[in-house]
Amino acid sequence: NAGVTQTPKFQVLKTGQSMTLQCAQDMNHNSMYWYRQDPGMGLRLIYYSASEGTTDKGEVPNGYNVSRLNKREFSLRLESAAPSQTSVYFCASSFSGGDVDTQYFGPGTRLTVL
Amino acid sequence: DQQVKQNSPSLSVQEGRISILNCDYTNSMFDYFLWYKKYPAEGPTFLISISSIKDKNEDGRFTVFLNKSAKHLSLHIVPSQPGDSAVYFCAAINSGTYKYIFGTGTRLKVLA
Repeated sequence: NAGVTQTPKFQVLKTGQSMTLQCAQDMNHNSMYWYRQDPGMGLRLIYYSASEGTTDKGEVPNGYNVSRLNKREFSLRLESAAPSQTSVYFCASSFSGGDVDTQYFGPGTRLTVL
Repeated sequence: DQQVKQNSPSLSVQEGRISILNCDYTNSMFDYFLWYKKYPAEGPTFLISISSIKDKNEDGRFTVFLNKSAKHLSLHIVPSQPGDSAVYFCAAINSGTYKYIFGTGTRLKVLA
């Protein structure tokens, strides 16, 4: 049982390049989330998916798109990377999403945009 | 506007003593609170939670206290161990929504 996995672990991009961060969970969770963590800012929600086929914006969605490919996988895409998107990105999942429940996090992707 | 605040960026405690981490919130609609622990190069892991209908929840060495009138919660770790050295985030949620609001974290260092 791997929990929440993320690829890649590290990535360096040039301004304007695009990339997709991958996330998968094997806990049969309904809800999935993407966060970014910046120094002194805590974790901020970018997008979330309450269930397969649905996605919604979080606190900081600008510059990102997401795809809930199936129940297991939730990807985050940067279409044209900017230095302001240098951050550590965490994917998380939870069972129901409708009630308060615990979110489980992946190990993170450290992204640097030059 | 930061709805969840952890005003102490860091804290050092001697092994065996009590660690007290604090968190304040401004939104009275929050009704559930959680603490997460994060080691370097890892994702946050759930530690303990408390509903707003309670004022205390205990799990082994970890106890969370909630003071709703002051909009304040704290995490007590007794006794503190070197393995507790990590960054601790508090999070708040309005139940029925999907959105956790995280504080900025407190880095705890337990000195052997």
